[in-house]
Amino acid sequence: NAGVTQTPKFQVLKTGQSMTLQCAQDMNHNSMYWYRQDPGMGLRLIYYSASEGTTDKGEVPNGYNVSRLNKREFSLRLESAAPSQTSVYFCASSERGLHGLNFAKNIQYFGAGTRLSVL
Amino acid sequence: KNEVEQSPQNLTAQEGEFITINCSYSVGISALHWLQQHPGGGIVSLFMLSSGKKKHGRLIATINIQEKHSSLHITASHPRDSAVYICAVTSYYNQGGKLIFGQGTELSVKP
Repeated sequence: NAGVTQTPKFQVLKTGQSMTLQCAQDMNHNSMYWYRQDPGMGLRLIYYSASEGTTDKGEVPNGYNVSRLNKREFSLRLESAAPSQTSVYFCASSERGLHGLNFAKNIQYFGAGTRLSVL
Repeated sequence: KNEVEQSPQNLTAQEGEFITINCSYSVGISALHWLQQHPGGGIVSLFMLSSGKKKHGRLIATINIQEKHSSLHITASHPRDSAVYICAVTSYYNQGGKLIFGQGTELSVKP
């Protein structure tokens, strides 16, 4: 059972280059999330998708775009990479993302992370 | 001030010691999560709780809703417990199950 799969695991970009981080889950989860993790900052939400066909901005969306391609896949795109986007990126998914209802299904399952360096 | 604060930020313990990591939050929540991030980077969910206490092996998580405080305890600590422990909350009013994270507590258990 693969869970949440992220690719690539490592990437080095030059300033201005573009790339897409891929994420797929095989747990039939409704909600998917993209986070970045920086030293001293903790995990911060970039974008999320509460259900197939919807996406919403998180805490730090600037410089990123997302696509919920289908229920399984949620990609994160950097159109013009900047050194400030050097970070570790995590994708996560949960069964259901509605507040106050069946919140036991809000446990999030994380991918292994993508370590991105922008030079 | 962060909505979720953890203490301490760093903790070094000797094998066998009882460990406590604290988490305080300032928002109304529907659930509180404890996660573990190993040195290799992977993040796993340890507990999700909305009241009382949960136990899994040597790990115990408690929450006091009135005081907006949670603790994660590790009994008989072992070097393999060395990791970053992250507290996160699901704000009662947020949509989409978004988590608000603390900054993490880096635990090192020495043999």
